[in-house]
Amino acid sequence: EAGVAQSPRYKIIEKRQSVAFWCNPISGHATLYWYQQILGQGPKLLIQFQNNGVVDDSQLPKDRFSAERLKGVDSTLKIQPAKLEDSAVYLCASSLKEGKQYFGPGTRLTVT
Amino acid sequence: AQTVTQSQPEMSVQEAETVTLSCTYDTSESNYYLFWYKQPPSRQMILVIRQEAYKQQNATENRFSVNFQKAAKSFSLKISDSQLGDTAMYFCAFIDTSGTYKYIFGTGTRLKVLA
Repeated sequence: EAGVAQSPRYKIIEKRQSVAFWCNPISGHATLYWYQQILGQGPKLLIQFQNNGVVDDSQLPKDRFSAERLKGVDSTLKIQPAKLEDSAVYLCASSLKEGKQYFGPGTRLTVT
Repeated sequence: AQTVTQSQPEMSVQEAETVTLSCTYDTSESNYYLFWYKQPPSRQMILVIRQEAYKQQNATENRFSVNFQKAAKSFSLKISDSQLGDTAMYFCAFIDTSGTYKYIFGTGTRLKVLA
């Protein structure tokens, strides 16, 4: 069984630039999560999708972050414009409704 | 608001010894799951163990077991016969299964197994 795929694995950008991350969840997993994990901290949920609908985006900084999950499968997370404090690892995870989460390898973003 | 608290930022244990990581949570819900996740230095998060709140029996997975005290809202992880590969960040997590199924993670405990 293929795991959760994410790309790119690493990204370095300058502040005020834009960046996009891609996630392909495990086939059949209806729920998809995007987390931000700052070094030394636990993951913070940014947005949760159930199929292609948003269940929770209360902690998503909507002035600069956006996410979509077209057709209820792949998802993209975009930051525009990036700030220094956005430097973090962005984790994508998927799950069956209330099952365990399967995490991708993450994308490490550095904003300079 | 639902919260998950891990009060031990760092712990260390000698190889082959036993260590217990603490986790407390707060919720007014009666239906929920609790998890322990492990994040090795490579950063891929993996599930260690899961406990359903309606089950009184503590979950066990090989060398990993939990002490689930529902009334006290406590969910500790015991690692027996610690191995060098157990060195990682450990996160306690909670999911409310009667609402939005939103995961809430604790701040993590960094465990180092010493040779």
